[in-house]
This record gives sequence, C-alpha cells and structure tokens, in this order.
Amino acid sequence: AQTVTQSQPEMSVQEAETVTLSCTYDTSESDYYLFWYKQPPSRQMILVIRQEAYKQQNATENRFSVNFQKAAKSFSLKISDSQLGDAAMYFCAYRGVRTSGSRLTFGEGTQLTVNP
Amino acid sequence: AAGVIQSPRHLIKEKRETATLKCYPIPRHDTVYWYQQGPGQDPQFLISFYEKMQSDKGSIPDRFSAQQFSDYHSELNMSSLELGDSALYFCASSPRLAGGPGEQYFGPGTRLTVT
Repeated sequence: AQTVTQSQPEMSVQEAETVTLSCTYDTSESDYYLFWYKQPPSRQMILVIRQEAYKQQNATENRFSVNFQKAAKSFSLKISDSQLGDAAMYFCAYRGVRTSGSRLTFGEGTQLTVNP
Repeated sequence: AAGVIQSPRHLIKEKRETATLKCYPIPRHDTVYWYQQGPGQDPQFLISFYEKMQSDKGSIPDRFSAQQFSDYHSELNMSSLELGDSALYFCASSPRLAGGPGEQYFGPGTRLTVT
C-alpha cells in the first residue's frame, strides 16, 4: 500500500520569506501523480500544485514550486514571498495510475503559520 | 466556473439515526469520490464511482453505502450512526481523460455531527 509522510506537523514563516514543506512517500508503482493541497480555516480543499512522476522537470505555479526527487521518493513544496493568505494546513497527496485506482492518499498535514 | 456542490453543508444527527449526504459533480465530470476527514486528521478515501459503477473502495464501514445516479450525482447513505462518524465528508469529482482520471476537484464538504 502507498503511504505518504509529512514529518513537520507545524511550520512558521515570516511574511515575504520562503518556507519549504517536506513530504516523503512510499510506493512500488512507477507511474503516479503527486499533489499539494491547501486547507484554510474554511476547510475547503484547494489544489496548489501537481507533479507527474514521469516528468523530470519540477512543477511551478507562481510562488509555489516543488522539488521532486523520484529516487528518494521525496516531494517538497517551496512557498516563496509568503503571504498572510498562505496560512493553512497543507497536505501532500499521492495518486497511482494503475494498481491503486484513482484515490488520493494524503499525508498527515503540515500547519503553516505566516507571521506578519 | 461551476464547482462541486454538496448538501447539506451541516448535519446534526443522533446516535443510531441515518443520514444521507448528496454530491453534485462539476458538469461533464463522470467520476465521483467520497472522503472522510475526522477532527485533526487527513482525509481518508471511502469510495468512488465512474459512470455509475463503483470503481474503487476504501475504508468505508459496512453501515455506509453509496451510489451514483444517471445524472452523475452521488449519495452517501450512513446508517446506525456512531459518535465516531462525526467528521467532514468531502465529495470530489473528476473528468475522464484519455490517459485516465483527471484532476479531482473538491466540494466544500458536509460537516456531520453525531450526538
């Protein structure tokens, strides 16, 4: 079974600075997707960024970028120029392509605080 | 853009009662997923449907059942409710693309409280 681990229950960053959230995963599949979701106090699940395992290039979405290390099974999220609105719970998620269907498997989450 | 609609948004039930949660996917999305998020926990996959057929099953209790209807909306039926069923229930939908399921878009969730 696939597992996703986020070893940082809480992180904090100063406004305008950069923060990196860590995620590791375990899988025997070669083809899969990785995601970072944001859950603000409203509890809405918002997709931040996605990475296809077959792509070597790291995904980037504006101030959000990932460092995908397939061999190490590591998938970290970097938030640049942090804003107060970035404060939320961040979940790393895995989705297999074949053997595990299309369900999302989430990590435990990292609560990000942004200090003004 | 249209989003996933879930109803009701909040539901309070007593132990041993039943509850029905509804999910209306984004138009032209044919796959629906249900997740359960307990307090302070990550979302856990329950079940999914593709073209009205169950496509995947996770840690869904036998007391729960779900189905997808001809208009692609889905309902999660929960019977003999227990205190531990209190959680946020998310529905997500995705389109079916040539390479497989597309992105999952989440609804706002239904907060179920069992007293």
